[in-house]
Amino acid sequence: EVQLVETGGGMEQPGGSLRLTCAASGFILSVYEMSWLRQSPGKGLEWLAYISTAGNTIYYADSVKGRFTISRDNAKNSLYLQMSGLRAEDTAIYYCARESSSSLGGAAFDVWGRGTMVSVSS
Amino acid sequence: SYVLTQPPSVSAAPGKTARITCGGDNIGSKSVHWYQQKPGQAPVLVVYDDSDRPSGIPERFSGSNSGDTATLTISSVEAGDEADYYCQVWDRSDEHRVFGGGTKVTVL
Repeated sequence: EVQLVETGGGMEQPGGSLRLTCAASGFILSVYEMSWLRQSPGKGLEWLAYISTAGNTIYYADSVKGRFTISRDNAKNSLYLQMSGLRAEDTAIYYCARESSSSLGGAAFDVWGRGTMVSVSS
Repeated sequence: SYVLTQPPSVSAAPGKTARITCGGDNIGSKSVHWYQQKPGQAPVLVVYDDSDRPSGIPERFSGSNSGDTATLTISSVEAGDEADYYCQVWDRSDEHRVFGGGTKVTVL
């Protein structure tokens, strides 16, 4: 079964750091582009970061650029999001998602994890 | 940055048709993807590249895209279609992935 599982969420104080992990199974992570996204409570979906298959091309949303770092270890079939300088507005469910290889237009997310909750509060 | 605009809510009676719009500047020149998200669950891709359906998605879900508006159409609406729906594009000018604000579909 194709699956993504996020771990590493929890409660953190403003200014703190967390590292999220996304474990892939049922497919070979190395052939897929990946992204992190989030959803604040009661709000819509927000894309955060993209990483190419080899990890040498990375893009960030303006809201997290300079604070969050996306990375991957294809040998471990894992994707990561290092979050620092956390703010209250970073409170959200964080999802990792796979970009479809079937989409000619590009950047369609065909597999999502169930998400991990991050709460930032003093 | 590119902006996508969706109506906050759409309703339809069972068996009828629900149409959800997604507005954006010349969105017809982009590929639009649609996601369904039920409460407490992760989003699910229901239409990609304007009008293609992933395996397992019913034919009742269809999409179109032209000019400044893309549309997701749900035919013969069922109670199980109640969910939030999001449109999304890839903005190649800055490589960002952009989502609309979401539309809550209510089955009357």
